[in-house]
Amino acid sequence: DAKTTQPNSMESNEEEPVHLPCNHSTISGTDYIHWYRQLPSQGPEYVIHGLTSNVNNRMASLAIAEDRKSSTLILHRATLRDAAVYYCILRDYNAGNMLTFGGGTRLMVKP
Amino acid sequence: NAGVMQNPRHLVRRRGQEARLRCSPMKGHSHVYWYRQLPEEGLKFMVYLQKENIIDESGMPKERFSAEFPKEGPSILRIQQVVRGDSAAYFCASSTNTGMTDTQYFGPGTRLTVL
Repeated sequence: DAKTTQPNSMESNEEEPVHLPCNHSTISGTDYIHWYRQLPSQGPEYVIHGLTSNVNNRMASLAIAEDRKSSTLILHRATLRDAAVYYCILRDYNAGNMLTFGGGTRLMVKP
Repeated sequence: NAGVMQNPRHLVRRRGQEARLRCSPMKGHSHVYWYRQLPEEGLKFMVYLQKENIIDESGMPKERFSAEFPKEGPSILRIQQVVRGDSAAYFCASSTNTGMTDTQYFGPGTRLTVL
């Protein structure tokens, strides 16, 4: 899987939007962009994924740059429960089925 | 629909003993993945299995570690002659298929402590 770069940590206030960036300048045409998060002492949890177009689901939105070299996970109203490590992962199914986790971004939410 | 179940949640072993970690995938899922998270490190892929077959074990240590996913029953990750460096959280994930939009669903993990 191609490499992704994320900030080590970010802070947010409760009930405010959060934009979590991810750079993936070496992304290939067949790479899907997946986001997972890991709450403290829990297993990772799927958040969202996309290929080229922006995506929305009940948890978050994913904004993908036109050149696909970067993306942003958007939490519209952060809650204390959103405090977690967020992982941006590129998946090329031609290269295997595993998830390759980087360091992720630790999101801290202040009340 | 119950999620991915792992047991035990916590396991303590002395050096040289064997550790057996179990994973029951979500109902209807026939693909199982094992990942390891060492203290203060990221998650690393270990092995990918389908029923009765190991598909990809490129992340498994060459010695002492083995995995199986029998036709009936849970997937088992077995660590023989454990050493202190095996202390970690072991996560299992399952999925329905390996299509382009495949989502992996993770269990709560087994935290192994080797004394």
